[in-house]
Amino acid sequence: EPEVTQTPSHQVTQMGQEVILRCVPISNHLYFYWYRQILGQKVEFLVSFYNNEISEKSEIFDDQFSVERPDGSNFTLKIRSTKLEDSAMYFCASRVGSGRQETQYFGPGTRLLVL
Amino acid sequence: DQQVKQNSPSLSVQEGRISILNCDYTNSMFDYFLWYKKYPAEGPTFLISISSIKDKNEDGRFTVFLNKSAKHLSLHIVPSQPGDSAVYFCAATRKTGGGNKLTFGTGTQLKVEL
Repeated sequence: EPEVTQTPSHQVTQMGQEVILRCVPISNHLYFYWYRQILGQKVEFLVSFYNNEISEKSEIFDDQFSVERPDGSNFTLKIRSTKLEDSAMYFCASRVGSGRQETQYFGPGTRLLVL
Repeated sequence: DQQVKQNSPSLSVQEGRISILNCDYTNSMFDYFLWYKKYPAEGPTFLISISSIKDKNEDGRFTVFLNKSAKHLSLHIVPSQPGDSAVYFCAATRKTGGGNKLTFGTGTQLKVEL
């Protein structure tokens, strides 16, 4: 069964460093998402991406964050200068986007720890 | 801004019995609802969904009920199995044009005991 994959599974970085989290969405999906879950809190929406552009972003997704689909398969989230409060699980999700199918399928996540 | 609420942080049920997980929402623009199951250190796994044009959707042991007037949905698991022990998240979205972002509840930890 097709699934969303994410790399790395864990990332430890120093405050102020740049990190890039990578995702490979399900191949025929058209809509891509990033969410995050800070320890003990709920899953929060960061950004959605369709047709090579951001379709919606949350207040969390400030100018330190960017997303890119550099080729036909990868979808990346970049944090330019990490802060301690960026420590969280980051989940990528994708959705077919055709007809009435609204289900988003999630990857296993990247645990980011900023020291 | 808790547009989706799961008021029970935990639920304990005996194996073979029914598990009922509840979710309330405040945004009347939501028109599609989903339940996800999550194990520690893993991503949310889709379980079942329901459109606002329906009041019930069933898939095997899982049934979701939607009461639009009360802005309430529930997930029934019958019979409950030990492997069902996980955190269950309710999520809601709008199917209008745009990103269709999911708004999640805080989750309910289900423990199914032998």
